[in-house]
Amino acid sequence: DIQMTQSPSSLSASIGDRVTIRCRASQSVSNYLNWYQQKPGKAPRLLIYDASSVESGVPSRFSGSGSGTGFTLTISNLQPEDFATYYCQQTYDTPLTFGGGTKVDI
Amino acid sequence: EVQLVQSGGGLVRPGGSLRLSCAASGFSFSTYWMGWVRQAPGKGLEWVASIRQNGYDEKYLDSVKGRFTISRDNAKNSLYLQMNRLRVEDTAVYYCARDPGWEILTPRFDLWGQGTLVTVSS
Repeated sequence: DIQMTQSPSSLSASIGDRVTIRCRASQSVSNYLNWYQQKPGKAPRLLIYDASSVESGVPSRFSGSGSGTGFTLTISNLQPEDFATYYCQQTYDTPLTFGGGTKVDI
Repeated sequence: EVQLVQSGGGLVRPGGSLRLSCAASGFSFSTYWMGWVRQAPGKGLEWVASIRQNGYDEKYLDSVKGRFTISRDNAKNSLYLQMNRLRVEDTAVYYCARDPGWEILTPRFDLWGQGTLVTVSS
């Protein structure tokens, strides 16, 4: 199975900050990498697919980069509604696997 | 409105069975792969199973293989997860999700149900 490791597991930030979350795969997943946002008690929401493509309706302050085994999710100009937990997911091979999550709080 | 509405779930004893349902509306259900993802209390996301548009290709997490069955009824725009021989460690919120990928596009879950809690306890 492909292991996905996110760092940090949590971080504190302020409104207007630039936030970077990292995701490392235990083997190459090419660009088969997605990012999701989840708020407490809610279903996840797709933010980024194919490592760097922004899902329709997602604000442009969210961006993704990387390929192979190293990926980043960047949130520029952090907004109040961005405080949530973020997960990466590889879909290169089954079982599809998620990272452990990064909680972004104030 | 494009949405997935889940039903089923609840409390079941270890070894018991439960069937989850997911009703799709507002999009062409039969043209999408569909999947189930679960989240144990206070934990992260875990993919459980996925099924092809025509229902003839199913993929499972090893720990549920042989116990869970994913299925769909395209005439009813519905997805199901039959869970048998349930274990305490299957306790989680279960989400159904739409997947536009696996063929031309890469897999991703772009539309999610509201989630339903399954508790396995004696």
